[in-house]
Amino acid sequence: NAGVMQNPRHLVRRRGQEARLRCSPMKGHSHVYWYRQLPEEGLKFMVYLQKENIIDESGMPKERFSAEFPKEGPSILRIQQVVRGDSAAYFCASSESRENQPQHFGDGTRLSIL
Amino acid sequence: SQQGEEDPQALSIQEGENATMNCSYKTSINNLQWYRQNSGRGLVHLILIRSNEREKHSGRLRVTLDTSKKSSSLLITASRAADTASYFCATDAKGGNTGKLIFGQGTTLQVKP
Repeated sequence: NAGVMQNPRHLVRRRGQEARLRCSPMKGHSHVYWYRQLPEEGLKFMVYLQKENIIDESGMPKERFSAEFPKEGPSILRIQQVVRGDSAAYFCASSESRENQPQHFGDGTRLSIL
Repeated sequence: SQQGEEDPQALSIQEGENATMNCSYKTSINNLQWYRQNSGRGLVHLILIRSNEREKHSGRLRVTLDTSKKSSSLLITASRAADTASYFCATDAKGGNTGKLIFGQGTTLQVKP
């Protein structure tokens, strides 16, 4: 029973390139959350999606960042024209429902911008 | 402002001792969750306590919740070197309809063998 799978584990991009982070939720989970963690800090909520719908994107930067969770396939967090400040660990979590259920996290993608 | 502030920021104890970490938050909640994070890894869910619950146990873990004080504590009894990790509390704000979690800065626990 696989947990939340994220890939790649490590991603290196040069400034101005695009970064694509993928997340496959646990089997049976239709709720996906993306969080960002800067060094020595806690996680910051970015976006919450259900299949094909963005429910809450209040934590997403207004520009360059987008997320999707298509009917088939993994959820994708996309960062266009990356800048040094985008360097962080990006975690995906999934849950069975949105209320009073634990969120199960993947091991994250560590994004480094050169 | 930030929900879920943990205290202390760092804790160092000997194996076999108990470790207590505290968390305070600011708004009404549906539930509060505790997570553990080992270096370079994702978060592992430990315990979820709902707003109408006062105490919960899981193995060597004991969580309390005081909604009047807006605080929670995580107690790890008979600690082991393998408990060395960062511990985060996270709140699911009442009235929010998305289940998004607000995390604190975490407590770094070191258990010396």
